[in-house]
Amino acid sequence: AQTVTQSQPEMSVQEAETVTLSCTYDTSESDYYLFWYKQPPSRQMILVIRQEAYKQQNATENRFSVNFQKAAKSFSLKISDSQLGDAAMYFCAYIPNYGGSQGNLIFGKGTKLSVKP
Amino acid sequence: GAVVSQHPSRVICKSGTSVKIECRSLDFQATTMFWYRQFPKQSLMLMATSNEGSKATYEQGVEKDKFLINHASLTLSTLTVTSAHPEDSSFYICSARPWRGPYGYTFGSGTRLTVV
Repeated sequence: AQTVTQSQPEMSVQEAETVTLSCTYDTSESDYYLFWYKQPPSRQMILVIRQEAYKQQNATENRFSVNFQKAAKSFSLKISDSQLGDAAMYFCAYIPNYGGSQGNLIFGKGTKLSVKP
Repeated sequence: GAVVSQHPSRVICKSGTSVKIECRSLDFQATTMFWYRQFPKQSLMLMATSNEGSKATYEQGVEKDKFLINHASLTLSTLTVTSAHPEDSSFYICSARPWRGPYGYTFGSGTRLTVV
């Protein structure tokens, strides 16, 4: 079974500091995609960053970067220079790539990030 | 681009009545849409996959007769909660994929359903 595990239910970071959220996944597939989604109090799901499994280079989007370790099936999110607006639930998600078939995202349970001023 | 509009954002209904939630892709065609349910402080739980022009595929444990899904066009999918009960109170979210390939999922803003 394909599963996504986020072992940190809650995390806290000081404003302007750096925080890393952990995610591990289990799959027998070799081709897949990984995502981090943010859900602020408004509950709108927002894509933060995505990573294609076939790419060795870690994805980066401004202050957000990932550490993708394919062999270890690990996909952590690093938030640099944390801002108050980063406070939210963060969900790690996975989807296998079956040649573009319309599958669905598999989500972890989420990590609630608090940012202290 | 790639906007999914979901309405209503909040709805309160009486037990025994039905409620319809709409999910529209505003600037793209979505042959497939997904419906999720989210309980407080929990993750998204996939309820069903909505396919344009065909029957929806429901996840195990989801009552097909209670959660009716209709995907009659390439831009609209609806979820109808029939004979609602207080335990159906929850946050419902739809999503769609604007582009071919398993990335770029876009989510609606969600609907908070309260059954009294």
